[in-house]
Amino acid sequence: DVKVTQSSRYLVKRTGEKVFLECVQDMDHENMFWYRQDPGLGLRLIYFSYDVKMKEKGDIPEGYSVSREKKERFSLILESASTNQTSMYLCASSVNSYEQYFGPGTRLTVT
Amino acid sequence: AQSVSQHNHHVILSEAASLELGCNYSYGGTVNLFWYVQYPGQHLQLLLKYFSGDPLVKGIKGFEAEFIKSKFSFNLRKPSVQWSDTAEYFCAVNEEYDKIIFGKGTRLHILP
Repeated sequence: DVKVTQSSRYLVKRTGEKVFLECVQDMDHENMFWYRQDPGLGLRLIYFSYDVKMKEKGDIPEGYSVSREKKERFSLILESASTNQTSMYLCASSVNSYEQYFGPGTRLTVT
Repeated sequence: AQSVSQHNHHVILSEAASLELGCNYSYGGTVNLFWYVQYPGQHLQLLLKYFSGDPLVKGIKGFEAEFIKSKFSFNLRKPSVQWSDTAEYFCAVNEEYDKIIFGKGTRLHILP
């Protein structure tokens, strides 16, 4: 089974802090994705990556950056956390862009 | 740009009722279509997918979906729901070699 793990299930940070969310997949997938999930808005794509050191902006990249130094690891960075970034963050991976496997999510609260 | 519309935000049914969740997408070219499900406290997981061939696809747990190209629709169905089907359901679509676009989700609540 594909396994996608995220570093934290719950995280509380203060406004202005730099926040790192880590995602690791164990199936050698080329593609990795970061979404945020908000009630009534569904999943919105923040960034994705088709290869190591490669990144592409999704639909809502403002206030976020990413890093992919190794194939199995994709990090989401909030440069200066704000309260409107309080959300559930989901990481996913795929061997092509057709079918994605999701991690358990990180519920981030920014106070 | 691609978009996905899910008709119902919140659906409440009794056990054994039939279910149909609507999904429409905007793109007129070749698409791949998905339904994902998120049970309470669990990961988002794939329920079923359509890539080509028979437009009626069957997924896990008795779910099926029908692709109707002329209507740009991919509705999810189940003849008789169970309490354990309580979850949030997401329709999704992508073009070839492109990222997946998700709908806003439908929360399904089954009364025992």
